[in-house]
Amino acid sequence: EADIYQTPRYLVIGTGKKITLECSQTMGHDKMYWYQQDPGMELHLIHYSYGVNSTEKGDLSSESTVSRIRTEHFPLTLESARPSHTSQYLCASSEDSRFSPLHFGNGTRLTVT
Amino acid sequence: AQRVTQPEKLLSVFKGAPVELKCNYSYSGSPELFWYVQYSRQRLQLLLRHISRESIKGFTADLNKGETSFHLKKPFAQEEDSAMYYCALSLDSNYQLIWGAGTKLIIKP
Repeated sequence: EADIYQTPRYLVIGTGKKITLECSQTMGHDKMYWYQQDPGMELHLIHYSYGVNSTEKGDLSSESTVSRIRTEHFPLTLESARPSHTSQYLCASSEDSRFSPLHFGNGTRLTVT
Repeated sequence: AQRVTQPEKLLSVFKGAPVELKCNYSYSGSPELFWYVQYSRQRLQLLLRHISRESIKGFTADLNKGETSFHLKKPFAQEEDSAMYYCALSLDSNYQLIWGAGTKLIIKP
């Protein structure tokens, strides 16, 4: 079934650890996004991609990095996690059209202790 | 600068009462607007979009360019409408979405 998948759903990790949040979609979408969202709060765009080998930083300054080597895969990496990175991370994808909606994953809730 | 404003962080109405979630935008280009909804423990999903001019789950939204608004309305609220609602503006230059801060809607029995 065409969908967008995020793993893990929950992650608790210690300060200084390197982590990678996984995001994969099977819809063939060119555009992919990473948002940061605290529960019930607004969404902040941290990274996006228009296609393979294309990545851009979003509006929110982030110490994370992303890669887009395959169309379906858009992982986000934190080299050294800090308590300030504690948040929910949402991955989304869309067709390359202004009128196409974003399809969101279930999110990864990250806690850095 | 482009901006989306949802003035109410929280809106609480009784079941059966009309609901209006406000969304105002600031944009010099041609606006294209969306409403997204996030039910408890579910992923964020599209509710409706201006281009489709459709009614979803009894909700409608009309683009008012004079008032720069895209308010979401439903004549009779149901308990299952309780959720977080986000208004978003798509830019015509790069298709990026500008998000409102969201409104939490609570339908009281």
